[in-house]
Amino acid sequence: NAGVTQTPKFRVLKTGQSMTLLCAQDMNHEYMYWYRQDPGMGLRLIHYSVGEGTTAKGEVPDGYNVSRLKKQNFLLGLESAAPSQTSVYFCASSYGQGANNQPQHFGDGTRLSIL
Amino acid sequence: KNQVEQSPQSLIILEGKNCTLQCNYTVSPFSNLRWYKQDTGRGPVSLTIMTFSENTKSNGRYTATLDADTKQSSLHITASQLSDSASYICVVSARSSSASKIIFGSGTRLSIRP
Repeated sequence: NAGVTQTPKFRVLKTGQSMTLLCAQDMNHEYMYWYRQDPGMGLRLIHYSVGEGTTAKGEVPDGYNVSRLKKQNFLLGLESAAPSQTSVYFCASSYGQGANNQPQHFGDGTRLSIL
Repeated sequence: KNQVEQSPQSLIILEGKNCTLQCNYTVSPFSNLRWYKQDTGRGPVSLTIMTFSENTKSNGRYTATLDADTKQSSLHITASQLSDSASYICVVSARSSSASKIIFGSGTRLSIRP
């Protein structure tokens, strides 16, 4: 049982390049999330999905796009990377939304540096 | 504004000692409060979840308390071990809300020294 798997684990990009971060979960969860974690700050929600084919904006969505074509996968895209997007990105999934007392399950993160 | 504040930011204790981490929140309407443990280079892992009606919950050597009236929670670690070295994150969810109403604290970084 792999849980939540993120690829790649590390990546270095040049400003203006594009890339896609991949997240896969094998727990049949409806909800999936993308967060970024920066030093001294709590995790901030970028985008989330409440089910296959749905996406919604979180707290810091600018510069990112997402897609949820299959229930088990949630993709995060950076169309034109900027140094401000240097961060650690975490994907999470849950059975329900935050208010239903179900925990979020997190991947181990993608460490992204934009030069 | 919904906020979760944790203290201290960092803490160093000797192996075998106890410690208590604090979390104050202003999230409303309150649904639940969670404590996560995040090892270096890993994702957060859930330790406990407490709802409005629960004031204590334990998970092994970890005991979380909740005072919904004062909007405070604490995580007590008993007989600390080297493996307890990690960041501990307090997370508060608002009732009947979207994923955007899950508020994360910035964490307490705990170091256990032998």
